[in-house]
Amino acid sequence: AQSVTQLGSHVSVSEGALVLLRCNYSSSVPPYLFWYVQYPNQGLQLLLKYTSAATLVKGINGFEAEFKKSETSFHLTKPSAHMRDAAEYFCAVSLSARQLTFGSGTQLTVLP
Amino acid sequence: DGGITQSPKYLFRKEGQNVTLSCEQNLNHDAMYWYRQDPGQGLRLIYYSQIVNDFQKGDIAEGYSVSREKKESFPLTVTSAQKNPTAFYLCASSFDRGYEQYFGPGTRLTVT
Repeated sequence: AQSVTQLGSHVSVSEGALVLLRCNYSSSVPPYLFWYVQYPNQGLQLLLKYTSAATLVKGINGFEAEFKKSETSFHLTKPSAHMRDAAEYFCAVSLSARQLTFGSGTQLTVLP
Repeated sequence: DGGITQSPKYLFRKEGQNVTLSCEQNLNHDAMYWYRQDPGQGLRLIYYSQIVNDFQKGDIAEGYSVSREKKESFPLTVTSAQKNPTAFYLCASSFDRGYEQYFGPGTRLTVT
């Protein structure tokens, strides 16, 4: 069975600091990987996706993620946090084009 | 504009009543999904449908029912058998299972 683990249910960074949200997956086959963002009382919005092309994936709002097969990781980063980045972030995995499995989410707080 | 609509945004019901949540998409997607979101638990799959007139149970289908009579519509009924119905419900769609899903804005259901 596929699974995804997000390390850290809450992450706080100062405005302008690096954002690093961690995601590890379990898989014996190449996965598709996704990051979503959710603002309060809203649906999820796709930030970026990895589908076996370039291992460094650039997404919207200045976010990017790097697929590392040896570490089974797909961590999300942004060089400089902005107040508007405060939200909940979800990592998701899909194996062999089967259904998505979501992580439990990481709440990002940006401190002024 | 293409997208997914869910209505209403907020819904209040008395315990023992059935309630139907609406989900409509004009993205021409074949697959549609219903998720339940509770604080700290991420997204849990209730039902999904890959084609019209066919749907499958997800991880937490007990107490819920769905129909898929049209490609564009996938309503969810929360029945009185659902023991803890108060939650945030999200509808999503995709071209096929395993591909990126697009989410509606959600319906917050409160049952008292």
